[in-house]
Amino acid sequence: QLQLQESGPGLVKPSETLSLICSVTGGSITNRNYYWAWFRQPPGKGLEWIGSIYNTGSTYYRPSLKSRVTLSVDTSKNQFSLKVRSVTAADTAAYYCARHCRGSTTWYEGFMDVWGQGTTVAVSS
Amino acid sequence: QSVLTQPPSVSGAPGQTVAISCTGGGPNIGAGFDVHWYQQIPGTAPKLLIYGHNNRPSGVPARFSGSKSGTSASLAIAGLQAEDEADYYCQSFDSSLSDVVFGGGTKLTVL
Repeated sequence: QLQLQESGPGLVKPSETLSLICSVTGGSITNRNYYWAWFRQPPGKGLEWIGSIYNTGSTYYRPSLKSRVTLSVDTSKNQFSLKVRSVTAADTAAYYCARHCRGSTTWYEGFMDVWGQGTTVAVSS
Repeated sequence: QSVLTQPPSVSGAPGQTVAISCTGGGPNIGAGFDVHWYQQIPGTAPKLLIYGHNNRPSGVPARFSGSKSGTSASLAIAGLQAEDEADYYCQSFDSSLSDVVFGGGTKLTVL
């Protein structure tokens, strides 16, 4: 059974870089049927897609975050990771990683069928 | 302001059927992109309920169904149970924004 687990610091200072890792167990991140995605949810608010990455390193990002976000994949560790630079209080959120399945015709309209439990990150000095 | 519009809340008594709407526009639902639905119990991760308009993952009861027409989609929950009390989100893709978009979420209360 596939499981995803987020890990990383729960507190990051303003202007610094938020770094999270998603560890995948029970399946291979190199499975070519899936992308791997990051989402976040600010306290009391809705879900927001951050970006998705394929096992080859191919990525696509939420346009409004693209300048500050980098996704990477480490197939040897069966992990993928998220970095958000120059964080502010607006980046405080629960962060989730998920498996991204292809939609009917494109990856862009795909859906997330397996989610990690999430990790809370606060941005504060 | 979410690209996809959902009612903030809906409610129903046990056993009843409720529907949650998700209204978009030409660049997203109206363009034919898939609509997916998630259930989220506060404090936990989202769970996929419906994908590709009306497909249920294994383990999701047949009480949950989806539909789509024009620029809108809808999630119906039949035979409401107390355990259905949660937040529900629709998701699609917007070609003008090049963005995966969500509705703002709907809180379902089982009376």
